[in-house]
Amino acid sequence: DGGITQSPKYLFRKEGQNVTLSCEQNLNHDAMYWYRQDPGQGLRLIYYSQIVNDFQKGDIAEGYSVSREKKESFPLTVTSAQKNPTAFYLCASSTTGGVTGELFFGEGSRLTVL
Amino acid sequence: KQEVTQIPAALSVPEGENLVLNCSFTDSAIYNLQWFRQDPGKGLTSLLLIQSSQREQTSGRLNASLDKSSGRSTLYIAASQPGDSATYLCAVWEGGSEKLVFGKGMKLTVNP
Repeated sequence: DGGITQSPKYLFRKEGQNVTLSCEQNLNHDAMYWYRQDPGQGLRLIYYSQIVNDFQKGDIAEGYSVSREKKESFPLTVTSAQKNPTAFYLCASSTTGGVTGELFFGEGSRLTVL
Repeated sequence: KQEVTQIPAALSVPEGENLVLNCSFTDSAIYNLQWFRQDPGKGLTSLLLIQSSQREQTSGRLNASLDKSSGRSTLYIAASQPGDSATYLCAVWEGGSEKLVFGKGMKLTVNP
């Protein structure tokens, strides 16, 4: 089945540690996105990538890093510089981006900082 | 800056009612609008995508309309069922950018 796979589903981190969230898609989509969801704040864009080896900062990129070495994969690293990393993280992909693309989401990863 | 608003934030109705969910946006220069459903602790499921040149889209019991000039979209749910209980979000692709701007969602509860 085609889709977007995020792992792990739940992750616990001690303060000061970096963690990497995985996102893999087999939809052959060019564009991939990372969003953060907090209660009462809606979804906020962290990073996005429209093509391999290229990515752009979203609205809340500070404390996060990404890579796009393969079309299918867009991992997100939450660094120790992120001051409030506890949140629900959602990865998404679309065919061509904003002009015509429908956005599809993975099941999410919940990160808790202890 | 584009802002997307969904009012009310929550709605509770008895089973069988026909529902209208509202979404408004401040800048009419959009590429398209997308409606999503989110179940607790899950990702978002795409329900309907309306291109900027279209006025409505239908899928089963769902019908979404788009009026760019007034900055509004509505999602119509016919004959609501308890399984429709979820949070519904609308989002617009900003013209001139590659970003999807989301509303905060409306939590729907359909009571048996």
